[in-house]
Amino acid sequence: DVVMTQTPLSSPVSLGQPASISCRSSQGLLHRDGNTYLSWFQQRPGQPPRLIIKRVSNRLSGVPDRFIGSGAGTDFTLKISTVEAEDVGLYYCMQGTKFPYTFGQGTMLEIK
Amino acid sequence: EVQLVESGGDLVQPGGSLRLSCVVSGFDFSTSWMHWVRQVPGKGLMWVSRIKNDDSGASYADSVRGRFTISRDNAKNTLYLQMNSLRADDTAVYYCVRDFYFTIDYWGRGTLVTVSS
Repeated sequence: DVVMTQTPLSSPVSLGQPASISCRSSQGLLHRDGNTYLSWFQQRPGQPPRLIIKRVSNRLSGVPDRFIGSGAGTDFTLKISTVEAEDVGLYYCMQGTKFPYTFGQGTMLEIK
Repeated sequence: EVQLVESGGDLVQPGGSLRLSCVVSGFDFSTSWMHWVRQVPGKGLMWVSRIKNDDSGASYADSVRGRFTISRDNAKNTLYLQMNSLRADDTAVYYCVRDFYFTIDYWGRGTLVTVSS
């Protein structure tokens, strides 16, 4: 199975400051169809995960444009340009290129 | 509005069985591949099982293969997970989720399974 490694596991950030989460896969995630199936999920306290970015950089409808996904191959990043209070929670990357789908360990974003 | 509502979670003794159900609405269940994903409270996410839209192609994580069985009833818009020979490390919140082009777009709120004597 593809191992997904996120860093950091905890990220204290001041309101209005940027945050960045790294996700590295043990194998390249370029699918034979030419797409890279790397997704990001946000999990607010007490709620299920919510898909916020698919295929590396495609934000879902309703997701603020301060959330920016990037990367290729085995290295991916989720950046939040200016952190707001509602962004507190866990963030997970997930690969869907190779079955079974696998998740990173999660990164806790908290306000300093 | 899309809804996935899981039920069936409970406290069960090691070696026991449970059947989880997930009733969905708001999208075409009969054409959707579905999964179960679990989360140990305070921990990360783990894929458990997947089933294709026509009730074929069931797949399982190594840790549950031979003990869990995924199934579905498209006429009832319902996904199931039969869990046998439960162990303490199966304790988790179990989420019913929809597959959407190599990602997961819809999640239920989950149902808690606790395996303890």
